[in-house]
Amino acid sequence: SQELEQSPQSLIVQEGKNLTINCTSSKTLYGLYWYKQKYGEGLIFLMMLQKGGEEKSHEKITAKLDEKKQQSSLHITASQPSHAGIYLCGADIGSNDYKLSFGAGTTVTVRA
Amino acid sequence: GAGVSQSPSNKVTEKGKDVELRCDPISGHTALYWYRQSLGQGLEFLIYFQGNSAPDKSGLPSDRFSAERTGGSVSTLTIQRTQQEDSAVYLCASSLSPGLANGEQFFGPGTRLTVL
Repeated sequence: SQELEQSPQSLIVQEGKNLTINCTSSKTLYGLYWYKQKYGEGLIFLMMLQKGGEEKSHEKITAKLDEKKQQSSLHITASQPSHAGIYLCGADIGSNDYKLSFGAGTTVTVRA
Repeated sequence: GAGVSQSPSNKVTEKGKDVELRCDPISGHTALYWYRQSLGQGLEFLIYFQGNSAPDKSGLPSDRFSAERTGGSVSTLTIQRTQQEDSAVYLCASSLSPGLANGEQFFGPGTRLTVL
C-alpha cells in the first residue's frame, strides 16, 4: 500500500463547480507539496504546506494541512477547463528532508 | 530562464537493451532527483544527488539501474538489460538547495520509456 493515499482517484466536475481532493498519510508529515501534471508534461508546483493548520491560496486553489489527521486537502473553487489534469500530493514522511513520497494522483476532468 | 530539460522525450527499446536517459537541471541547482512514474502509480523516488556528497541510491529498484552526475550538473540514468516492467515515465527534478523546506523541486517533462 502507498504511504500517501489520494482520494478520489478521479473526478469529473461541471465547469463552475467546486471540487476537493484529499491526501492522507500513514506516517507523520514533515511537509506536503501539491503538484499538477498534464499528460506528457512534468509536474507544476502549486503549493507547499509545512505547519499544522497552515492554509494557502493561489487564485482559485486552496490547500490546507491538518497535521493531527496527517491529511491535506486541495480545494478548487469555480473550476475551469484549465484546472483539468492530474493532481499529485508529495510529502516528506521520513524526515530525510529531501526525499518526497507521492500519492498515486487524482485525475480531474472539467466539463464545459 | 530555462527549466529542467530531459532527453529523449520518448524512448522505445527492445527487452535486454541498455538505455541512457539524460537530465539537465536548472543552472545553479545543487540538488538533483530522479523519479519513476508507472501507469496508475505515484512517483517513485529513485536517486538523489547533492553537490559532491555521495548520492542516495536507496530507491533504485535493482542493480541494473545506475546514475551519474558529472560536474555537479548533468545527470544520466542508465538502465541495463531493460525489462518490460521498466516501462514508465522517468522524471528528473532539481532544487536550488537541499532540504524541502528550502524550496520546491522543479520537474522536467520526463522521458517516456517503453520496453517491448
